[in-house]
Amino acid sequence: QVTLKESGPALVKPTQTLTLTCTLSGFSLTTSGMRVSWIRQPPGKALEWLARIAWDGGKFYRTSLRTRLTISKDTSKNQVFLTVTNMDPVDTATYYCARDPVVGSNKGGFDYWGQGILVTVSS
Amino acid sequence: EIVLTQSPGTLSLSPGERATLSCRASQSVSSTYLGWYQQKLGQAPRLLIYGATSRAAGIPDRFSGSGSGTDFTLTISRLEPEDFVVYYCQHYYSSPTFGQGTKLEIK
Repeated sequence: QVTLKESGPALVKPTQTLTLTCTLSGFSLTTSGMRVSWIRQPPGKALEWLARIAWDGGKFYRTSLRTRLTISKDTSKNQVFLTVTNMDPVDTATYYCARDPVVGSNKGGFDYWGQGILVTVSS
Repeated sequence: EIVLTQSPGTLSLSPGERATLSCRASQSVSSTYLGWYQQKLGQAPRLLIYGATSRAAGIPDRFSGSGSGTDFTLTISRLEPEDFVVYYCQHYYSSPTFGQGTKLEIK
């Protein structure tokens, strides 16, 4: 059974760095074609894709946030990480990780999502 | 960057009616990389449709997708009470983007 679970701080101060962890179960990022993405959603607003990491180590970022984002993985622990530097109140959002397999037979889109973690940026 | 524009922003219908939700891309996209998601209040999004027309596992057949190029549609043939939530389209190729969402509300 495929699951993803986000963890990290619920509250960060402005200018601080946020580090989130996504723990994977039921699949591995060592599998060819597998990827994980991070997405966020400010309260009452739309979804916003942030970053993607692939089985082969390939990394992709949202252009407008590229300088502030770092995605990484620890395949031995089946975990994916996202760091966001210089946090601001506008970064207050629910942050999700999702499985994002390369398009193939019966695959496409972000097919499994974590429950999300609400991160509030406030002094 | 591809921009996805969903319409209408809010759709008011009654249970049993047919819903048609639109997603327009700012440039032509491959239907292979077009998906639709449903999001209930307080929950993570759920994949409904991928590849513009393929239903994800466990999705009822009242949900269907169509379209190509710049215009895509999600159709819900007979609305059930649990369908009155928010829907997003997504282009998931190299730099994924989401539409701004359509809220389906009970008339």
